[in-house]
Amino acid sequence: GENVEQHPSTLSVQEGDSAVIKCTYSDSASNYFPWYKQELGKRPQLIIDIRSNVGEKKDQRIAVTLNKTAKHFSLHITETQPEDSAVYFCAASRQNGNKLVFGAGTILRVKS
Amino acid sequence: GAVVSQHPSWVICKSGTSVKIECRSLDFQATTMFWYRQFPKQSLMLMATSNEGSKATYEQGVEKDKFLINHASLTLSTLTVTSAHPEDSSFYICSASPLAGGQVDTQYFGPGTRLTVL
Repeated sequence: GENVEQHPSTLSVQEGDSAVIKCTYSDSASNYFPWYKQELGKRPQLIIDIRSNVGEKKDQRIAVTLNKTAKHFSLHITETQPEDSAVYFCAASRQNGNKLVFGAGTILRVKS
Repeated sequence: GAVVSQHPSWVICKSGTSVKIECRSLDFQATTMFWYRQFPKQSLMLMATSNEGSKATYEQGVEKDKFLINHASLTLSTLTVTSAHPEDSSFYICSASPLAGGQVDTQYFGPGTRLTVL
């Protein structure tokens, strides 16, 4: 089955700096890669996702890149703000409602 | 759009009792809903996939007789933790994928249910 590894487990950055979180996956048939942000005690919120037919997607300060050959994808947050502090999870799945396999999560702390 | 609700948001029960958690998609229909469990400072672990009108598919190591799942309609799935014990204390979260309209693989999460078994 699919296995998703996520690094780093914790990341501290200064406000205004960029943050990068990386994930690798094992199943070459996976073609859907969402990123979720979870604040303490709350639900995971989808912040961006990418499908295997594109290599990059951007939404304001957030971008995701995908390298299908190497089977890895990354989340990039630019101009970080204190409210970006949370746990971020990557995930992978095959399309059409199949189950998501999550990475272990990254605790992002943005210091002001 | 794509709102998922869960009820209750938290529950405290005595060991040996059963607890039912509801998951509803409020503004879309979902053929498939998913149930996850999340322990403190850990990732989301899929417990089972709930399919409307059919039996749930459980992940390896999840006891189907202990975690009963019913998906009675396209907007409601329930998880019943039977004979709960302290080790079942956790954060239970459901998610749902829209039946149609756009990308059917996107999962939207409910707010979670904090279960504490005394």
